[in-house]
Amino acid sequence: AQRVTQPEKLLSVFKGAPVELKCNYSYSGSPELFWYVQYSRQRLQLLLRHISRESIKGFTADLNKGETSFHLKKPFAQEEDSAMYYCALSVYGATNKLIFGTGTLLAVQP
Amino acid sequence: DAGVTQSPTHLIKTRGQQVTLRCSPKSGHDTVSWYQQALGQGPQFIFQYYEEEERQRGNFPDRFSGHQFPNYSSELNVNALLLGDSALYLCASSLGVPSGHEQFFGPGTRLTVL
Repeated sequence: AQRVTQPEKLLSVFKGAPVELKCNYSYSGSPELFWYVQYSRQRLQLLLRHISRESIKGFTADLNKGETSFHLKKPFAQEEDSAMYYCALSVYGATNKLIFGTGTLLAVQP
Repeated sequence: DAGVTQSPTHLIKTRGQQVTLRCSPKSGHDTVSWYQQALGQGPQFIFQYYEEEERQRGNFPDRFSGHQFPNYSSELNVNALLLGDSALYLCASSLGVPSGHEQFFGPGTRLTVL
């Protein structure tokens, strides 16, 4: 069965500290992985996807098929990064149905 | 473009009632997916509509049904409401159904079942 696990409900860091939001997935085939973000009082929006290999707002994520992980990283956290982050998976070549993790709330302290 | 819009914003129903939620996709999009987000959980896929047909369905009972209209807007219907149906219902639209096509989410409809 396809599953996404985000082990941390809350991650609190100070401004300027490095950030790593963990995401592990369970899927035997070729997955497509995404990070979605939800800022306070805003709708869910795509942050980045592994296939594009982009860096968005200083965030990067590398797909590690050996460890079945897709951790989100940023070297220096900013207060405006405070938000709810969801890791999601879809099955490559199929529909774009998304399977979400439970989310991690990132709180960046001044 | 207002993006994906949903109505109503909030809704309160009692057990056993029926509810209809509505979604208008982003301009140019033809595919609508519905998700249920319970408190403290990530969104869970309900079903997806493309070309006015249900293309894929998640693990939800038949009490959950939907429809897509020729203008690509969509409705989600839930019959015989249970307390456990209380959640935020999200609509997402995309262009086509293949994987990799970005889904754009609406603000959601908050359903409370008493």
